[in-house]
Amino acid sequence: GAGVSQSPRYKVAKRGQDVALRCDPISGHVSLFWYQQALGQGPEFLTYFQNEAQLDKSGLPSDRFFAERPEGSVSTLKIQRTQQEDSAVYLCASSLDRAGGYTFGSGTRLTVV
Amino acid sequence: EDQVTQSPEALRLQEGESSSLNCSYTVSGLRGLFWYRQDPGKGPEFLFTLYSAGEEKEKERLKATLTKKESFLHITAPKPEDSATYLCAVQALDRGSTLGRLYFGRGTQLTVWP
Repeated sequence: GAGVSQSPRYKVAKRGQDVALRCDPISGHVSLFWYQQALGQGPEFLTYFQNEAQLDKSGLPSDRFFAERPEGSVSTLKIQRTQQEDSAVYLCASSLDRAGGYTFGSGTRLTVV
Repeated sequence: EDQVTQSPEALRLQEGESSSLNCSYTVSGLRGLFWYRQDPGKGPEFLFTLYSAGEEKEKERLKATLTKKESFLHITAPKPEDSATYLCAVQALDRGSTLGRLYFGRGTQLTVWP
């Protein structure tokens, strides 16, 4: 596609519920990143994929967070047993390589109530 | 620890009033410094990459410059449509699998009023 597509755009979850956030990167983009952006803050790194390989997951805040990219294209970020502190915008970005200048999606705004 | 600090946090300008945004950084080996623009409800939009001290990039009313410790985003004769949050990010030199990760500042919220 022309850009990075994320779905859903908005998600309201009850505390303790599991959620899954989807990212469709630009076709052919090897690198895929997930970032978390709290209100009034800059994006914070969560995890990085090169094709289907998850090369860095050091930014995932807890073992409740899990990401996958099984076929090297679409990626899913899953959050189990959501907590209020998980409320944020989750951004996905993709690139042909790791050189930077990534294209970001519009994000999924997650609100945990 | 890699760190990016942006100032001011917020800036209000009258249309046509030029100004600069600052991004200071500490990183053990800079691979690149990035400027992004973010509109409300949208993801960051890539503007510039700078790689070495002394480098400059321009795009319309925006010019980005880089020194060894900071970067400036100069806005010349801004218009209301330039209103957005401007984010600065750094990328460190090769750290194996973490290469590519961006460290962002908190951004400068720019408002340009007519």
